[in-house]
Amino acid sequence: SQTIHQWPATLVQPVGSPLSLECTVEGTSNPNLYWYRQAAGRGLQLLFYSVGIGQISSEVPQNLSASRPQDRQFILSSKKLLLSDSGFYLCAWNYNSPLHFGNGTRLTVT
Amino acid sequence: KNEVEQSPQNLTAQEGEFITINCSYSVGISALHWLQQHPGGGIVSLFMLSSGKKKHGRLIATINIQEKHSSLHITASHPRDSAVYICAVKPNYGGSQGNLIFGKGTKLSVKP
Repeated sequence: SQTIHQWPATLVQPVGSPLSLECTVEGTSNPNLYWYRQAAGRGLQLLFYSVGIGQISSEVPQNLSASRPQDRQFILSSKKLLLSDSGFYLCAWNYNSPLHFGNGTRLTVT
Repeated sequence: KNEVEQSPQNLTAQEGEFITINCSYSVGISALHWLQQHPGGGIVSLFMLSSGKKKHGRLIATINIQEKHSSLHITASHPRDSAVYICAVKPNYGGSQGNLIFGKGTKLSVKP
């Protein structure tokens, strides 16, 4: 069966520090991969999606970037975090199916 | 006005009650999702539907494409149903399958 792993679960980082969140999927090949953010009091928002290795599409301009170095690995990064980057980050995957979400990373930028 | 509106925002029910959560949207869609977010933050996909009605256990989801409205029903509610329920739509104007417009969620609390 398919599983999705996302880590870390929580993260506290100072302003200006780098960020790397990792997501891996098991049990499926060539999934569509997504990074979402849920800011306090707001709905989920799609940040990036990928339909294959090295293929990244960005939905909103921001301080973040994404990479897909392997078929089932999706990484969310930042070179310098801003206070406004605080939020709950969720990785998800699908392939002509409902979305399957990871457990999320709660990021607090101080 | 948000493109996806949910009502109510908060709902408190007694165990055993029948619960309805509503979702209205203003764009043409190819699919509608109902998601469940537990207090820890993890999200589970409950339903993806584009017409009619789907049932899974005590959960029922319906959609009326013409009226741009969907409902999520929970029969014989239980405290373990306490969560935030999120409605999300896939607009039919393109983009990836995951390019959804999300509602802000309905926070359900079921008291024993």
